[in-house]
Amino acid sequence: EIVLTQSPGTLSLSPGERAALSCRASQSVYSNYLAWYQQKPGQAPRLLIYGVSSRATGIPDRFSGSGSGTDFTLTISRLEPEDFAVYYCQQYGYSPRTFGPGTKVEIK
Amino acid sequence: EVQLVQSGAEVKKPGESLKISCKGSAYNFANYWVTWVRQMPGKGLEWMGIIYPSDSDTRYSPSFQGLVTISADKSISTAYLQWSSLKASDTAIYYCARHSEHGTSWTPLDYWGQGTLVTVSS
Repeated sequence: EIVLTQSPGTLSLSPGERAALSCRASQSVYSNYLAWYQQKPGQAPRLLIYGVSSRATGIPDRFSGSGSGTDFTLTISRLEPEDFAVYYCQQYGYSPRTFGPGTKVEIK
Repeated sequence: EVQLVQSGAEVKKPGESLKISCKGSAYNFANYWVTWVRQMPGKGLEWMGIIYPSDSDTRYSPSFQGLVTISADKSISTAYLQWSSLKASDTAIYYCARHSEHGTSWTPLDYWGQGTLVTVSS
């Protein structure tokens, strides 16, 4: 099973700042099958990024993904008030598909 | 608009059985894999298993194998998650989600149900 580790656990930032969230895999992710999801309190997760760097439909371009192999990053270029949430990475190239433990982006 | 609508919140006692549902609409439900995800109170997302409604091909995470049963009825565009004997540790929100491309499960989850809260308490 591929284990995903996310860091930091919590990121305290102000609106307008840049956020960089890390996701590290215990082995190389197959074919870059790596996605990022956003979850707000009381809501279901929402797909942001798939295939490491492709934005899902309707996702603003301030969200970007990068990386390869075992190290991946989700970057939010300028935080908007609605971006404060928990972010999960997921690999979907091996079974079982696995999620990381999440990074909470909170208002400083 | 693609939607996955899940059944309502449940309160059960330990040892009871339960079956929750996830109904898809506005797409060809049979031809898209569906995943179930658990989220325990205040915790992260856990991948439980997947099903292909067209032929009910099902795969489970080792962590959930034998603990739950995933099924589907393509004639009514509905997937199910069931327990034969609930435990307090099954208390969680359960989400169903659709894989983004028809015919393959090696894809991300593009549409999610609203979640079903299952509470198991004596």
